[in-house]
Amino acid sequence: QSVLTQPPSVSGAPGQRVTISCTGSSSNIGAGFDVHWYQQLPGAAPKLLIYGNTNRPSGVPDRFSGSKSGSSASLAISGLQAEDEADYYCQSYDSSLSGYVFGSGTTVTVL
Amino acid sequence: QVQLVQSGAEVKRPGASVKVSCKASGFTFTDYGFGWVRQAPGQGLEYMGWISAYSGNRNSAQKFQGRVTMTTDTSTNTAYLELRSLRSGDTAVYYCARLRLLAAPNWFDPWGQGTLVTVSS
Repeated sequence: QSVLTQPPSVSGAPGQRVTISCTGSSSNIGAGFDVHWYQQLPGAAPKLLIYGNTNRPSGVPDRFSGSKSGSSASLAISGLQAEDEADYYCQSYDSSLSGYVFGSGTTVTVL
Repeated sequence: QVQLVQSGAEVKRPGASVKVSCKASGFTFTDYGFGWVRQAPGQGLEYMGWISAYSGNRNSAQKFQGRVTMTTDTSTNTAYLELRSLRSGDTAVYYCARLRLLAAPNWFDPWGQGTLVTVSS
């Protein structure tokens, strides 16, 4: 069981907006630790998508955005495209475990 | 360009050990740390630990303590992960990823291509 909880799957039609939640607790996200997001395309290594809750690395389209509130965070994908079909993971740090933690992962399907 | 290149796939018997390498290029090796994350077939990402290439300080997830050793070789800009007493549940793709050495915990970027370790009798 992952420390950070994500919905197993979300789906949307091309052009729509989807959001992925990442729910933690008072020892990780709620403690103020930043949340980061990764995209994993089929058969590939994860790739950094959002860092420091809201920041996009160079080259990541502005269709991707992140937010954080309390013990939860969210990743939004607007203008959904076929190439966005992938698994998405959130990541933070947990003070009780004294280590990094990942979300359970969410599969995005473009209908 | 910034790159992490990992060693090739391995097949091991239960009880054996495996050592995975992660060669860095395109940046100053000792300015960063290196994390290790694994992914079992069809499963999510699992944090294993990380090591500072600057100080050698390391942290490993409780689940792997006593079974994992992380090292770095600054002469070859390579990070290593050794996992001992392998069992079938250790079958997974093992990734290395770069960590910035900041006061606060941060993010993994970039990632190596992954190394498939298969444990089978």
